[in-house]
Amino acid sequence: AQKVTQAQTEISVVEKEDVTLDCVYETRDTTYYLFWYKQPPSGELVFLIRRNSFDEQNEISGRYSWNFQKSTSSFNFTITASQVVDSAVYFCALHGQNFVFGPGTRLSVLP
Amino acid sequence: KAGVTQTPRYLIKTRGQQVTLSCSPISGHRSVSWYQQTPGQGLQFLFEYFSETQRNKGNFPGRFSGRQFSNSRSEMNVSTLELGDSALYLCASSFLYQGASGNTIYFGEGSWLTVV
Repeated sequence: AQKVTQAQTEISVVEKEDVTLDCVYETRDTTYYLFWYKQPPSGELVFLIRRNSFDEQNEISGRYSWNFQKSTSSFNFTITASQVVDSAVYFCALHGQNFVFGPGTRLSVLP
Repeated sequence: KAGVTQTPRYLIKTRGQQVTLSCSPISGHRSVSWYQQTPGQGLQFLFEYFSETQRNKGNFPGRFSGRQFSNSRSEMNVSTLELGDSALYLCASSFLYQGASGNTIYFGEGSWLTVV
């Protein structure tokens, strides 16, 4: 069975703070993919990143960075110098045979 | 390139009525999947259509149905609406079917359904 856990239900930070969103997954598949999506108030889930299980290199894209650690089955997402526009619900997802989404973390960035 | 388009964006229905939601996938995408999002249950998979065939179905009652047309556009229908069907219904499209390795799904803005 596949499962994604996002232990943080809600996080509030003040603008310019760094924030890390945690994601822990469970799967028996040897090949799988991990995703992060952002859902602003408008509702659309916006694709942020995809990583495959064979590539544990960390990735940085502007203020966003992702830390994939297979040994701890974690795929954490860090926003550096957060901005109000980062306020959204963030979903971690696992793709083995199907897509399984975590419950989401609501991030509020206060001015 | 146009994204996934869903219509209508907002609608209010009465218990017992039925509703049809529409989704136009990204051009060239042949898979369309539907999700229900509620505060209590999160994102739940409804079903997936690929090349006009239902490939996969989530754990929802038969009141929830869908179809896909030859141009890959998809509709989902909910009959005999219940208050608990109030939710955001999200459509996602991808080039490959959901289970294909390396696939990425892209979402539309969703249809907000309120049942009163």
